[in-house]
Amino acid sequence: GAGVSQSPSNKVTEKGKDVELRCDPISGHTALYWYRQSLGQGLEFLIYFQGNSAPDKSGLPSDRFSAERTGGSVSTLTIQRTQQEDSAVYLCASSRNGGSLGNTGELFFGEGSRLTVL
Amino acid sequence: AQSVSQHNHHVILSEAASLELGCNYSYGGTVNLFWYVQYPGQHLQLLLKYFSGDPLVKGIKGFEAEFIKSKFSFNLRKPSVQWSDTAEYFCAFPPGGSYIPTFGRGTSLIVHP
Repeated sequence: GAGVSQSPSNKVTEKGKDVELRCDPISGHTALYWYRQSLGQGLEFLIYFQGNSAPDKSGLPSDRFSAERTGGSVSTLTIQRTQQEDSAVYLCASSRNGGSLGNTGELFFGEGSRLTVL
Repeated sequence: AQSVSQHNHHVILSEAASLELGCNYSYGGTVNLFWYVQYPGQHLQLLLKYFSGDPLVKGIKGFEAEFIKSKFSFNLRKPSVQWSDTAEYFCAFPPGGSYIPTFGRGTSLIVHP
């Protein structure tokens, strides 16, 4: 498809289980972002990938969270030993030229993966 | 710390009413500013953006925003809202030198027909 694709769209899991969320960005977009959207909160930055550079992990809330991006395309966000406070919508976005200083351009968002931890 | 704040978290209007949603940022340097919209059940999408030049920018669906540097503001406006404008609106900016947009908490707009 032409847009950012995320899967699964919904995930219900039990506390303590691991989950993987997938993001397939727009072809040719070098920058990829993960954000988290909790009820009543804004978008919380998690991690950023730009080309082959080391990712910016400064937004990850704990060491239970990790992400990788294979071949500069698809990305997987992994949450280990999930907790109830991890329940949120996880949004992936891609951008054409995220590496330019002060000129990120437009972010294109996927529809998100809604995670519910029971 | 560099941040963006949206003062109105919930706005309820009737159709044809005028809209203004506040957005303020805290950063002293050059900024690029964005408004994104999320319609019910849809993904976030760009409404409009300011990079440089004319501080009054026009976006899709009749929206506009004005960058006022002295007030560190980028308020979103629409002269006459429609029921279809019901959505969540987010202000965002990447602080100078950054490539990671910071988003405000969002404003939920409900327009009654």
